[in-house]
Amino acid sequence: QKEVEQNSGPLSVPEGAIASLNCTYSDRGSQSFFWYRQYSGKSPELIMSIYSNGDKEDGRFTAQLNKASQYVSLLIRDSQPSDSATYLCAVGGGRGTALIFGKGTTLSVSS
Amino acid sequence: GAVVSQHPSWVICKSGTSVKIECRSLDFQATTMFWYRQFPKQSLMLMATSNEGSKATYEQGVEKDKFLINHASLTLSTLTVTSAHPEDSSFYICSARVQQQETQYFGPGTRLLVL
Repeated sequence: QKEVEQNSGPLSVPEGAIASLNCTYSDRGSQSFFWYRQYSGKSPELIMSIYSNGDKEDGRFTAQLNKASQYVSLLIRDSQPSDSATYLCAVGGGRGTALIFGKGTTLSVSS
Repeated sequence: GAVVSQHPSWVICKSGTSVKIECRSLDFQATTMFWYRQFPKQSLMLMATSNEGSKATYEQGVEKDKFLINHASLTLSTLTVTSAHPEDSSFYICSARVQQQETQYFGPGTRLLVL
């Protein structure tokens, strides 16, 4: 069974610091990877997608993919209290199936 | 782009009644939609996959006769919770996907409270 693992946290960082969120996946054949953010009481929203090894940057967010090691990470630079949320890592399930989600890492940014 | 809406956002009903939740893709055609349920402080749980024009595929342990899914068009899927009971109270979220892409776009969710 395909699995996506995340540390549940909470991960606590001070305002302005870099938050590093990590995710590992079990299916070596996975081709697409996603990070979603979910605020308490809200539905998930897409932050970034990444398909190739290396880094992908979008504003304060950088996604990193290493297929050989089967891990994906999300770096949030200059963390703000508004970044406090649960971050979900998702991996493409292939063959028209739903994304496989990790259980999420809760991030808390203190001012 | 890629906006998904849900209606209603909140519903309170009496035990034994049925509730219909609509999920619409507003600016794209969604050949596949997914329905999730999330209990407080728990992770997303996939309930079913809905493909336009065909029967939904339910995850193990999800009663297909209790959670009726209809995906009648490329922009609309509905979830009907039949004979709702208090244990069905939860946050129901749909997501939609464009054909041949894996990115899922989520609706804002529907909070169901069964009294």
